[in-house]
Amino acid sequence: AQSVTQLGSHVSVSEGALVLLRCNYSSSVPPYLFWYVQYPNQGLQLLLKYTTGATLVKGINGFEAEFKKSETSFHLTKPSAHMSDAAEYFCAVSPTGGGNKLTFGTGTQLKVEL
Amino acid sequence: DTAVSQTPKYLVTQMGNDKSIKCEQNLGHDTMYWYKQDSKKFLKIMFSYNNKELIINETVPNRFSPKSPDKAHLNLHINSLELGDSAVYFCASSLGLEQETQYFGPGTRLLVL
Repeated sequence: AQSVTQLGSHVSVSEGALVLLRCNYSSSVPPYLFWYVQYPNQGLQLLLKYTTGATLVKGINGFEAEFKKSETSFHLTKPSAHMSDAAEYFCAVSPTGGGNKLTFGTGTQLKVEL
Repeated sequence: DTAVSQTPKYLVTQMGNDKSIKCEQNLGHDTMYWYKQDSKKFLKIMFSYNNKELIINETVPNRFSPKSPDKAHLNLHINSLELGDSAVYFCASSLGLEQETQYFGPGTRLLVL
């Protein structure tokens, strides 16, 4: 069975500061990895995903994440936070064998302060 | 045009009632999903359909019955609603079953009184 752990249910940063949201997974084989963002009262939007190839993945809105197999991690970063980045962020995994079943972490609420 | 749409957006109802939530996607995708997001924002998959065929059926009470009349629609019918069914229900779709990006609808907020 796969599982996802997101450290820190709430993260607060200043505008212009580095954003780091942590995600670790547990899986017998490396899964596919995703980050989704949810703005208030909206559905989820894909930020980026890792399936194969380059382990550093760039997404929308200046976000990127690096797959580290040895650390079973897929942390999300952004060099400079903007007020519009305030949202809930979900890390998710799906099995490489197909089926596309997403297992989500518990989410991290990002707050951006002036 | 909205890619994945859900109706209604809000649903307030009494315990014991039966209700349906509709989902439509205009992306030409083959696969559709239902997720439940609880009050702590935890998201869990309930069902998935591929080409109208049930693929994933998690341990969901059989009061929940998905129906896919065609590839573009996946509806969720809930019988004998309970307080614990209060949640946000998200529909999603993807091109297929292989590591495909899932596109989410705006959600239906269900409140059972």
